[in-house]
Amino acid sequence: GAVVSQHPSRVICKSGTSVKIECRSLDFQATTMFWYRQFPKQSLMLMATSNEGSKATYEQGVEKDKFLINHASLTLSTLTVTSAHPEDSSFYICSARGREEGMYYEQYFGPGTRLTVT
Amino acid sequence: QQPVQSPQAVILREGEDAVINCSSSKALYSVHWYRQKHGEAPIFLMILLKGGEQKGHDKISASFNEKKQQSSLYLTASQLSYSGTYFCGTEKVEGSNYKLTFGKGTLLTVNP
Repeated sequence: GAVVSQHPSRVICKSGTSVKIECRSLDFQATTMFWYRQFPKQSLMLMATSNEGSKATYEQGVEKDKFLINHASLTLSTLTVTSAHPEDSSFYICSARGREEGMYYEQYFGPGTRLTVT
Repeated sequence: QQPVQSPQAVILREGEDAVINCSSSKALYSVHWYRQKHGEAPIFLMILLKGGEQKGHDKISASFNEKKQQSSLYLTASQLSYSGTYFCGTEKVEGSNYKLTFGKGTLLTVNP
């Protein structure tokens, strides 16, 4: 149990285009989903927290208009990188916190999406 | 505020033990431990919720000293599969949000 999927796993796009990344909790309902960004050999940096049906809460320094987050249901959150630039190239990972009894506290991570902007 | 992990890296021979420490200057609600292999997502190891709590499974265990705002991860009789980067995540409550902030990680290499 507690599986989180992300799609796509890799994406290459041209500068100026937009890219959408999906994050799904496959076998549980997620009260909250988180989006992280990770540069090579560095830690995971929290970008935003999203609760189903409400606006995402962005961390300081993260541009809301550039990184659009939609949490449409208890099993799906999307991150759209708008007008991508090479400096947006990174490893984006989502995680989900479950609402079922016994899994309230853990965060389960998706496999990540490698974004390369050329 | 980002927790501080130590050491930054450790190299072991199979069967040896290791301790990874995690400390924070802020009051903690809980401490999470994850292991990440290169190019993969972090894998949840365990979470410690209460002051003085200890947990473990197999040969990996952890302790959480709430008063000292510190947690330690203990790996005993290490196996090759233990190699990876270990992150501690410290959690605090901000309003209705639970925020998890990760340390910079400890790179563990287990050699035959």
